Amino acid sequence: DTTVKQNPRYKLARVGKPVNLICSQTMNHDTMYWYQKKPNQAPKLLLFYYDKILNREADTFEKFQSSRPNNSFCSLYIGSAGLEYSAMYLCASRGGHLYAEQFFGPGTRLTVL
Amino acid sequence: GDSVTQTEGQVALSEEDFLTIHCNYSASGYPALFWYVQYPGEGPQFLFRASRDKEKGSSRGFEATYNKEATSFHLQKASVQESDSAVYYCALSGSFNKLTFGAGTRLAVCP
Repeated sequence: DTTVKQNPRYKLARVGKPVNLICSQTMNHDTMYWYQKKPNQAPKLLLFYYDKILNREADTFEKFQSSRPNNSFCSLYIGSAGLEYSAMYLCASRGGHLYAEQFFGPGTRLTVL
Repeated sequence: GDSVTQTEGQVALSEEDFLTIHCNYSASGYPALFWYVQYPGEGPQFLFRASRDKEKGSSRGFEATYNKEATSFHLQKASVQESDSAVYYCALSGSFNKLTFGAGTRLAVCP
């Protein structure tokens, strides 16, 4: 099974409220990623976990948090949503061999009002 | 930093037409290059990769050749089908195997 699951598929949030998105994979991959995708833009890497080590991109460091309670699950947390957070959020996982591809989930579409 | 440029934002073709989607990259070092395809309602799917100069990657009739001198990895297919309609992303793998994507090219193939 090469499936990456994401929940929920659609999320409506109010400005200033927290948002928590969930991703799971059963491929025993050691690395999990979160990307943000806005219309007509490239998917942008927000952060990734290698095993239990979290790496956040410098320009989104303050805006997103994440946790990985076990190998299969990874969350993306927004403490206080702003309108600019409206986007598709894609989760991906990757196994260990050099140049291995990433496997993507279907995404969660977040709309902040 | 690393970057990927896809020249075409949208491409419209008829079935059996020849497809080219242009991809150029800028990176330090010697990145691996990828093509991903995304169908409606799904996440991007790996299509193929190339990891060294002059290597050809291919899958499902699509192909691209790593050109280090021209910093390019153009996607081609000799005869497209309606089922190829999707968004195609070129990407490079940099440090820590992080992917840098292009903005994507939406391909529409009419029967």
